[in-house]
Amino acid sequence: EVQLVESGGGLVQPGGSLRLSCAASGFTFSYFWMTWVRQAPGKRLELVALMNRGGSEKYYVDSVKGRFTISRDNDKNSLYLQMSSLRAEDTAVYYCARGGAPGTTDFWGQGTLVTVSS
Amino acid sequence: DVVMTQSPLSLPVTLGQPASIACRSSQSLVHSDGNTYLNWFQQRPGQSPRRLIYKVSNRDSGVPDRFSGSGSGTDFTLKISRVEAEDVGVYYCMQGTHWPWTFGQGTKVEIK
Repeated sequence: EVQLVESGGGLVQPGGSLRLSCAASGFTFSYFWMTWVRQAPGKRLELVALMNRGGSEKYYVDSVKGRFTISRDNDKNSLYLQMSSLRAEDTAVYYCARGGAPGTTDFWGQGTLVTVSS
Repeated sequence: DVVMTQSPLSLPVTLGQPASIACRSSQSLVHSDGNTYLNWFQQRPGQSPRRLIYKVSNRDSGVPDRFSGSGSGTDFTLKISRVEAEDVGVYYCMQGTHWPWTFGQGTKVEIK
């Protein structure tokens, strides 16, 4: 059974940093592109970062470029999102999602809540 | 960025009756490889999104056949042939043709 379990969310002050983790199991992690998607209160879903199988290709939505870094450790079956210079508008539930094929995500984790507030 | 626009945003439906959700993109979703990367997701209350449909009309394993997707170019539709109680939730279209991949605003399906 495919499982994606996010962790690392919490309350952080504006300008602060946080590192999210996603533990994958039930599939060969290194075979799949992976993504981070966020859902802010009252806003539509936003795919913030995408990474290829080996980690050599990374894509970011403009709103997080230069502040967020996606990475992975295929030996540990884990995906990460390093977030810095956090802003109030980064407050959201962050989901780890598997890229099942080009142009899609097929399995999502349960999400971890990030709250940016003083 | 490609803007995805869904309608309606709220859809009250009687059990057993059909439902239809429209999704329009601000530009064509036909990829240079010939595929159209239009997906539909269901998010039940308190749950994470679940993919129902990929590449316009391909249903995921385990998804009831009362769900169907259609469309081309910039106009797409998700249909539920007979709504059941478990179908309550928010439905999102998502395009994966142009980076950044983008989602519609969501359509809330509820039972009348």
